[in-house]
Amino acid sequence: NAGVTQTPKFQVLKTGQSMTLQCAQDMNHNSMYWYRQDPGMGLRLIYYSASEGTTDKGEVPNGYNVSRLNKREFSLRLESAAPSQTSVYFCASSPGTGDSGANVLTFGAGSRLTVL
Amino acid sequence: DAKTTQPTSMDCAEGRAANLPCNHSTISGNEYVYWYRQIHSQGPQYIIHGLKNNETNEMASLIITEDRKSSTLILPHATLRDTAVYYCIVREETSGSRLTFGEGTQLTVNP
Repeated sequence: NAGVTQTPKFQVLKTGQSMTLQCAQDMNHNSMYWYRQDPGMGLRLIYYSASEGTTDKGEVPNGYNVSRLNKREFSLRLESAAPSQTSVYFCASSPGTGDSGANVLTFGAGSRLTVL
Repeated sequence: DAKTTQPTSMDCAEGRAANLPCNHSTISGNEYVYWYRQIHSQGPQYIIHGLKNNETNEMASLIITEDRKSSTLILPHATLRDTAVYYCIVREETSGSRLTFGEGTQLTVNP
C-alpha cells in the first residue's frame, strides 16, 4: 500500500504563478486534509474534506482553493502564489467513520514549495 | 476542541523511558486523546490514542489520569530515532473532521 501520495515533492514558483498540489490515498478513507508547516512551526490546517463532495475551511484558508475530485483525491491550488506561501505542505487522510480510529490521520511525505 | 498544553522541550537518555506529559483540563466526556510525532522534515506519524483507559501498542503506552485532565505518553526504551516533536491532540472520535495540531514537545534523546 502506498498510503498517501503527494506530488510534486519540490516546487519553485515565482510570485503570481499558479500551481496545484496533488494528493491521493489508497486506504478508502472518507476524510482528507491539507496542512502547511512553516520552518520551526507547528502544522496549520488549510482545508479539509470530511467526506467526498464536501470541503471546509481550516485555520489558514486564504490564498488557497481545494477540490475533492473523488474519494481518493484531494488537490490544493494556489491561484496566485505569494512568498508568504513558502512552506511545506502535508496532505493527510483518516477513516472519518467507524467505532475506533476515525480521527487517526495518515500523512504524506510532504511537498516543499518555495515562492520567489 | 479541548486545548492541550505540553512542555516545549524535553531531554531523555538513550535506553531510558521517555515520559511526555500533556494537560487537557477542558476535555469533554466524548473526546479522545491522540498522540502523533514528527521526525525532522517528515510527515507526522500516528502513535496511539485513548479515551479513559490506559493503552499500549508496539510504539508506546498512554496513561490517562482518572479525571482525564492530563495524560502521559511513555516511550519505554527511548532510542536516538525517537528524537522528534510529539503532539498531543484532543478530539471527538467520530467527528472525522478537522484535527488541529499545537506546538508539541521537542524530545531529544541523547546518547
